[in-house]
Amino acid sequence: DTAVSQTPKYLVTQMGNDKSIKCEQNLGHDTMYWYKQDSKKFLKIMFSYNNKELIINETVPNRFSPKSPDKAHLNLHINSLELGDSAVYFCASSQAGTTYNEQFFGPGTRLTVL
Amino acid sequence: AQSVTQLDSQVPVFEEAPVELRCNYSSSVSVYLFWYVQYPNQGLQLLLKYLSGSTLVKGINGFEAEFNKSQTSFHLRKPSVHISDTAEYFCAAFIQGAQKLVFGQGTRLTINP
Repeated sequence: DTAVSQTPKYLVTQMGNDKSIKCEQNLGHDTMYWYKQDSKKFLKIMFSYNNKELIINETVPNRFSPKSPDKAHLNLHINSLELGDSAVYFCASSQAGTTYNEQFFGPGTRLTVL
Repeated sequence: AQSVTQLDSQVPVFEEAPVELRCNYSSSVSVYLFWYVQYPNQGLQLLLKYLSGSTLVKGINGFEAEFNKSQTSFHLRKPSVHISDTAEYFCAAFIQGAQKLVFGQGTRLTINP
């Protein structure tokens, strides 16, 4: 069973379009994250949600809107896609309340904006 | 500001040779430290973690890392690498208070036969 899954794995779209990436975890975790990995492989957190509540929002443009319908899902919607949005987006999850923050990552979604 | 620096962007080594991937962190608060591995076209997998206690931490696939508080380092080592170790390696620090993981820039480990 896949612990953290993302769909789609690849997404190719035109500039200006709106797209969504879905993430689901079956680990029973209550905290989920979105990371962006740029072309130089640099990983940076975008958002984190705990029990469907936004905890971290790292100065991401308003065009990016995370939505958490329940603890097991965190989707990422992107409006008016730009060339610079091309990257690999990783979802992750962890269990809050422990003394550390071991995060489990999904396989990533490679977004290409043409 | 908290940060993580991986000193080498690329490390080429021969198969069965030892390797060390360097990581330094900067933080005024306690940190938990991690090494993740990313195989080509895959997500990140946890190699090992330092939370507290013994400064020498052993992980999966024969990797180990040593936490050095005075040098603020957490270097990753393996005594003998295999072709299958070819991957991108990320050092990360969990910053308490900020409640987030901060990643280094990554080190590409390439194993030559």
